[in-house]
Amino acid sequence: ETGVTQSPTHLIKTRGQQVTLRCSSQSGHNTVSWYQQALGQGPQFIFQYYREEENGRGNFPPRFSGLQFPNYSSELNVNALELDDSALYLCASSPKGYNEQFFGPGTRLTVL
Amino acid sequence: LAKTTQPISMDSYEGQEVNITCSHNNIATNDYITWYQQFPSQGPRFIIQGYKTKVTNEVASLFIPADRKSSTLSLPRVSLSDTAVYYCLVVQGGKLIFGQGTELSVKP
Repeated sequence: ETGVTQSPTHLIKTRGQQVTLRCSSQSGHNTVSWYQQALGQGPQFIFQYYREEENGRGNFPPRFSGLQFPNYSSELNVNALELDDSALYLCASSPKGYNEQFFGPGTRLTVL
Repeated sequence: LAKTTQPISMDSYEGQEVNITCSHNNIATNDYITWYQQFPSQGPRFIIQGYKTKVTNEVASLFIPADRKSSTLSLPRVSLSDTAVYYCLVVQGGKLIFGQGTELSVKP
């Protein structure tokens, strides 16, 4: 059974650019959630996708957007990057809704 | 909006029982309370999940009072490898809300 994978592992961008982060969910999981984790902080919920539809969103501006594909993999897109967007971005999949989530290793984004 | 509060840090010694409490108000009445463990440079790992009263698995117990305004994670007989950050996670208004985390340090 393959766990949750994320790509890339590290990424450096400059302010104003756009970035796309990718996540492959665990086999059999139809729900994917994305989180932003700043250094020394707990993960902050960005949004969740269930069967290709957004199923909840945290307090993030519209420049944070996402997609879930028919195979339940997912993308997180961030436009007009700001310095404060520098963080670890975590993806988690679960069998359904808010059940036990399985996290990927994260993508470390640095915005210069 | 639900707000969660956890102690920032705790110290313990090997073999002791550790209890970490998370306070959470206004959480959804029909969703689980979940606890995760996180090591540096890794994603959080599921420990235990419960709705009310007491839940026990092979690594921890979770105590939730009837009012569901708090939950306590109990780790029996901790070892050095339990040194990590522990988070509670609750659901409120369709949002998944993590606590700020408790950094547990286990000493020999």
